[in-house]
Amino acid sequence: DTGVSQNPRHKITKRGQNVTFRCDPISEHNRLYWYRQTLGQGPEFLTYFQNEAQLEKSRLLSDRFSAERPKGSFSTLEIQRTEQGDSAMYLCASSLDGINEQFFGPGTRLTVL
Amino acid sequence: AQSVAQPEDQVNVAEGNPLTVKCTYSVSGNPYLFWYVQYPNRGLQFLLKYITGDNLVKGSYGFEAEFNKSQTSFHLKKPSALVSDSALYFCAVSPGGYNKLIFGAGTRLAVHP
Repeated sequence: DTGVSQNPRHKITKRGQNVTFRCDPISEHNRLYWYRQTLGQGPEFLTYFQNEAQLEKSRLLSDRFSAERPKGSFSTLEIQRTEQGDSAMYLCASSLDGINEQFFGPGTRLTVL
Repeated sequence: AQSVAQPEDQVNVAEGNPLTVKCTYSVSGNPYLFWYVQYPNRGLQFLLKYITGDNLVKGSYGFEAEFNKSQTSFHLKKPSALVSDSALYFCAVSPGGYNKLIFGAGTRLAVHP
């Protein structure tokens, strides 16, 4: 499968713990995006990278959230000191310069107890 | 504020009948518009996009969408619905064309035999 992959698919954690998610984009795609989706809502933009540069961050991305894409390939999203409100599906997408549509991974479902 | 509205939470249609899923947007400049579909336990799948040119765009699985600049709408259509079209549909807009997507809340399409 050469699509976008995300790991883990599910994560259950206790409030206050740190979690890290990984996204592997389609191999030749230089743009990578993170979104968050809660029940009954559409995905909300969090941040995006072009190669290794983080070019935009949403106001939704509090200081507890950090994202990296160190070599311009895979990306990680870390949430520190998780809160119950962080429970959501975290989606990753990738795209190629000049191709506007984004291709989404299956998501990581986070549950904070 | 930039936004996308999908006024119907759910659309019900009989198999074989035409379907329309509505979307309106509010964004400055010339928007890039998209439709995505989400099946249970699967990632968002790209259906079609409007960038420029013909107001009627054709996409995957027999879907098409009509861009109406004066009404700021981008309704999704299909001449003959299939039961397998039952899913959650999201309209999205990219204000800058190359970065974040702003999604609507989604419309659940139910096609009955």
